[in-house]
Amino acid sequence: DAKTTQPPSMDCAEGRAANLPCNHSTISGNEYVYWYRQIHSQGPQYIIHGLKNNETNEMASLIITEDRKSSTLILPHATLRDTAVYYCIVSRSAGGTSYGKLTFGQGTILTVHP
Amino acid sequence: GAVVSQHPSWVICKSGTSVKIECRSLDFQATTMFWYRQFPKQSLMLMATSNEGSKATYEQGVEKDKFLINHASLTLSTLTVTSAHPEDSSFYICSAKGQGYSNQPQHFGDGTRLSIL
Repeated sequence: DAKTTQPPSMDCAEGRAANLPCNHSTISGNEYVYWYRQIHSQGPQYIIHGLKNNETNEMASLIITEDRKSSTLILPHATLRDTAVYYCIVSRSAGGTSYGKLTFGQGTILTVHP
Repeated sequence: GAVVSQHPSWVICKSGTSVKIECRSLDFQATTMFWYRQFPKQSLMLMATSNEGSKATYEQGVEKDKFLINHASLTLSTLTVTSAHPEDSSFYICSAKGQGYSNQPQHFGDGTRLSIL
């Protein structure tokens, strides 16, 4: 699976949009981009995923560049409860021994402050 | 949304005992379940992939005789840490992936914190 690169940490003011970048320059055609977050001492929480089109749900928006080599997760109005480690992961959608596997990197520690 | 329940959430036991952790998908059928381990201040590391009705596939370096995985139904997978020792102390997390579209996301349990004395 393609490797991802994320900044180790980011800060955001409460109420403002948090934009978390992710580089995945070696992504292949059948790999999706997934975003998860992990709040301390809990299991990861699924946020959103996409292939090539931008996606939006009740939690966040995912913007994927046209060449698919990078993406941005947007939390439109960050709250203190959004403080967590955010993981950007690319994973094969079908076929092969790595099908469905998620390889977690170090992620981005997002701190939302008052 | 999809819910995955993991039990127990926390366990302390003596060295040499075996510990069983359960992972259940509560509102969907999980054809595939995954088991991860997370040490303090580190990221999650995949241990094994479990498909219902078949043997689990273990990642390199994970001892299959040490970490027994059973996925007997579409809603339940178990991980048994056999003859646990202090170095097995960790945060164990399961995830489940439903049937249907291949790009369906995995949903995670809240983890089991295992402490071996």
